[in-house]
Amino acid sequence: EPEVTQTPSHQVTQMGQEVILRCVPISNHLYFYWYRQILGQKVEFLVSFYNNEISEKSEIFDDQFSVERPDGSNFTLKIRSTKLEDSAMYFCASSLDRGLDDTQYFGPGTRLTVL
Amino acid sequence: AQTVTQSQPEMSVQEAETVTLSCTYDTSESNYYLFWYKQPPSRQMILVIRQEAYKQQNATENRFSVNFQKAAKSFSLKISDSQLGDTAMYFCAFLNDYKLSFGAGTTVTVRA
Repeated sequence: EPEVTQTPSHQVTQMGQEVILRCVPISNHLYFYWYRQILGQKVEFLVSFYNNEISEKSEIFDDQFSVERPDGSNFTLKIRSTKLEDSAMYFCASSLDRGLDDTQYFGPGTRLTVL
Repeated sequence: AQTVTQSQPEMSVQEAETVTLSCTYDTSESNYYLFWYKQPPSRQMILVIRQEAYKQQNATENRFSVNFQKAAKSFSLKISDSQLGDTAMYFCAFLNDYKLSFGAGTTVTVRA
């Protein structure tokens, strides 16, 4: 069964460093998302992406965040200068479309630890 | 903005018994989708079940079923014949403007 994959599973970085989290969505899906979950808190929407551009972003997704689809399979989230409060689980998700079947399927997550 | 409320932080159930998790939401939309996701200790988010608001019939998926009450804006999840592998955090989620809004989650512990 097709699934969303994410790498790395755990990333440790120093405050102020740049990190790139990688995702491979389900191959025929067209819509891609990033969510984050700070330990003990709700899962929060960050950004949605379609046709090589951001569709929607939350207030959390400020200028230090960026997303791109550098090739036909990968979808990345970059955090330019990490802060302690960026420590969280980051989930990538994908959906087939936004009409008939917009169920979002999640990857296993990347645990980001900022020291 | 849509809000999703899960009023039960924790639930415990004996193996093979049934447990029901509650979820309420607030929206002015008429067509939308609701989901239950499971997050085991591995923290992966796994889709459990989906309900389209325009469908009156409650969704079922093997041992998992929902009680969808549109007028009351209620969307509860019933886990029948609970198994040890059902131990996880369960999140109710509302799909709006193509983004999911999640509740705070309910931790379900299945006791042997």
